[in-house]
Amino acid sequence: AQSVAQPEDQVNVAEGNPLTVKCTYSVSGNPYLFWYVQYPNRGLQFLLKYITGDNLVKGSYGFEAEFNKSQTSFHLKKPSALVSDSALYFCAVRDRGRDDKIIFGKGTRLHILP
Amino acid sequence: DAGVIQSPRHEVTEMGQEVTLRCKPISGHDYLFWYRQTMMRGLELLIYFNNNVPIDDSGMPEDRFSAKMPNASFSTLKIQPSEPRDSAVYFCASSLTVGGVGAEAFFGQGTRLTVV
Repeated sequence: AQSVAQPEDQVNVAEGNPLTVKCTYSVSGNPYLFWYVQYPNRGLQFLLKYITGDNLVKGSYGFEAEFNKSQTSFHLKKPSALVSDSALYFCAVRDRGRDDKIIFGKGTRLHILP
Repeated sequence: DAGVIQSPRHEVTEMGQEVTLRCKPISGHDYLFWYRQTMMRGLELLIYFNNNVPIDDSGMPEDRFSAKMPNASFSTLKIQPSEPRDSAVYFCASSLTVGGVGAEAFFGQGTRLTVV
């Protein structure tokens, strides 16, 4: 069965500094990988995805993520954090060609300090 | 498209009552997912459908929970009878899978359920 681990419940970063939110996954087949962001009292918003091809994918709001097959990781990154990036971030995996369900990690709360 | 539409946005009910949550997926999407979000357990997949057929309901916590998708544009999640521990935010999401394109799910705004 597929699974997603986000090892950090919370990440604190000073505004203007680079940020990284970690994610590792486990699937039987080939993964589709996603990052979502959730603001208070809102649904999840899609940020970016890895399907195939280039291991570095770029998404909304200046975020990017790097797929690393050997480490089964898909860390979210941004070169310069903004206070408005403070939110709850979820990593998710979909097992291609298997049962197609989308499983989410427990989420990482990102605090950007002014 | 208006996106995934869920109703109601908020529901407060008494223990033992029946609760029905509703979802309208994005037109043309062939997958529909129901998730539950709590502080303790995060975002749990309850059940998902493909082309209106339930594929995996292993996440449904108990027989008190049931879900249906009578057509491509409507799904319900029912809890009968409801209990205080069912209090959570319930999300519906839909996705389209065509050869690997557009595999992400799009979420509704959620229904915040409080059982007192």
